[in-house]
Amino acid sequence: NAGVTQTPKFRILKIGQSMTLQCTQDMNHNYMYWYRQDPGMGLKLIYYSVGAGITDKGEVPNGYNVSRSTTEDFPLRLELAAPSQTSVYFCASSYRVLSNQPQHFGDGTRLSIL
Amino acid sequence: KNEVEQSPQNLTAQEGEFITINCSYSVGISALHWLQQHPGGGIVSLFMLSSGKKKHGRLIATINIQEKHSSLHITASHPRDSAVYICAATWGGSEKLVFGKGMKLTVNP
Repeated sequence: NAGVTQTPKFRILKIGQSMTLQCTQDMNHNYMYWYRQDPGMGLKLIYYSVGAGITDKGEVPNGYNVSRSTTEDFPLRLELAAPSQTSVYFCASSYRVLSNQPQHFGDGTRLSIL
Repeated sequence: KNEVEQSPQNLTAQEGEFITINCSYSVGISALHWLQQHPGGGIVSLFMLSSGKKKHGRLIATINIQEKHSSLHITASHPRDSAVYICAATWGGSEKLVFGKGMKLTVNP
């Protein structure tokens, strides 16, 4: 059982480039999330989705876009990379936060914008 | 504003010690989560609770709703417990978690 899989694990981008961070889960979870983690800061929610075709902004959505065409996949797109987007990105999934079920996290993508 | 605070931000202990990690939060949470982030970066969920106490192995999580406070206790600590421990909470009907900054624990042999 793979759980939540993120690719790539590491990436270096130049300012202005674009890329897509991939996230897929095989647990049939409806809820999926993208977070960023900056040094010394708590995880911040970028976007989330409560099911296929439904997405919503989190706390720090600027500069990012998401889509959810299937239950399994929730890619995060950076259109015009900026140095402020240098961070570690985590994808997570769950049945529901309020239920007695945990969030499952991917291993993270370490992204540097130079 | 919904907020989660953790203290201390760093803690060093000797193997075998009893460790307590604290978390405070704004009024009105629905659920409180404790997570562990390994030195390699991976994050795993330890507990989710809305009242009382939960135990798993050497880990115990407690919550006092009236005092807006939760604690994570580690008994008989071991160097493999060295990690960042993160507290997070959700409010009302929201499916979104608000995270604390985490507490880095180092357990020396």
